[in-house]
Amino acid sequence: DTAVSQTPKYLVTQMGNDKSIKCEQNLGHDTMYWYKQDSKKFLKIMFSYNNKELIINETVPNRFSPKSPDKAHLNLHINSLELGDSAVYFCASSPTGYSYNEQFFGPGTRLTVL
Amino acid sequence: QKEVEQNSGPLSVPEGAIASLNCTYSDRVSQSFFWYRQYSGKSPELIMSIYSNGDKEDGRFTAQLNKASQYVSLLIRDSQPSDSATYLCAVKGSGGYQKVTFGTGTKLQVIP
Repeated sequence: DTAVSQTPKYLVTQMGNDKSIKCEQNLGHDTMYWYKQDSKKFLKIMFSYNNKELIINETVPNRFSPKSPDKAHLNLHINSLELGDSAVYFCASSPTGYSYNEQFFGPGTRLTVL
Repeated sequence: QKEVEQNSGPLSVPEGAIASLNCTYSDRVSQSFFWYRQYSGKSPELIMSIYSNGDKEDGRFTAQLNKASQYVSLLIRDSQPSDSATYLCAVKGSGGYQKVTFGTGTKLQVIP
């Protein structure tokens, strides 16, 4: 199946731990994104990479560090997890050209920090 | 002022009616506009994109854009219970790698 996939789907962890979320797309897209959707369902962009280059870096704590080993993968590492980090994290990708920014989302990772 | 504003709803319409979802945006130079549908517990799914003033139709969906009024809307004809979801309006500024900003969404309930 052509899609955007994320692992894990659920992540439950203690405050202070470090965790990673992985994202892969096989759509051949050049641009990938990380979004955070909070309990009020507001979807806010965190980072975006185009061909492994960071192009959008919103105001997020330094504890969040994205890594793009190649244009099909974008991972998110979170250090020293806090209660406020609990949310659903979505990865997305978009093609180049006219339809740039028509984004395709992964299934999401629900992070719960206890 | 929020960058992209939507009425949170819920908007309740009877099955078979037209559902009208509205969105306003603050950045006058915005160029690209999108509607996403998000079912509860699922990821957003792109259903319409519109780049020029006027109407764009795709099946039962029609997107309408008025850049002078900074207004974009989505009409859903012959609404079905399966259309019940949250609809997110998204807007992208002009040029380069501008980010896409999402509204908070309107929850639509189609009553059988």
